[in-house]
Amino acid sequence: EAQVTQNPRYLITVTGKKLTVTCSQNMNHEYMSWYRQDPGLGLRQIYYSMNVEVTDKGDVPEGYKVSRKEKRNFPLILESPSPNQTSLYFCASSLGSGVEQYFGPGTRLTVT
Amino acid sequence: GEDVEQSLFLSVREGDSSVINCTYTDSSSTYLYWYKQEPGAGLQLLTYIFSNMDMKQDQRLTVLLNKKDKHLSLRIADTQTGDSAIYFCAEAETGRRALTFGSGTRLQVQP
Repeated sequence: EAQVTQNPRYLITVTGKKLTVTCSQNMNHEYMSWYRQDPGLGLRQIYYSMNVEVTDKGDVPEGYKVSRKEKRNFPLILESPSPNQTSLYFCASSLGSGVEQYFGPGTRLTVT
Repeated sequence: GEDVEQSLFLSVREGDSSVINCTYTDSSSTYLYWYKQEPGAGLQLLTYIFSNMDMKQDQRLTVLLNKKDKHLSLRIADTQTGDSAIYFCAEAETGRRALTFGSGTRLQVQP
């Protein structure tokens, strides 16, 4: 089954404790991205990757890092999480930008 | 920058038609999308329309695009309780690497 998976689905952590949210897709998509969803703001792009070892900032990259060492995986790294990063995070993949993006189920992160 | 706006809430009765509206500011949008988000789930692409089209119909869904007014609408015919969800309008601009989403419209279907 074609899908995008994220782990964990729920995470509660404390300020400053490094964490990684994993994202994996099995569709051989070149393009992957991370969004955060906040009430009243819709989804905003954090980072995207057009292919292995090619990543770039989206609209709200501050406080986040990503890596793309393999085509299927695109982890999101929070080196020093802060409470304003409490949000619902979605990973998405597609064949290219501007075409149908397939979304993962989301990761709800709470930083206290 | 780009901006996509939607009303926050719509309530309809089961069997009625629902119309969800969206306005956008970017005149270079190439594709416009409607996504559906059910509680606790990710986003599911419902339909999309290319910017040189006026209308697209897909079963119970009709998308209308008024490019002059930068207005997009999604009509759901014979709305069912299973249609209750948040609906996001999104646009993709030529050469830009992200979708710009609206804030979402929560559709509540009353039995």
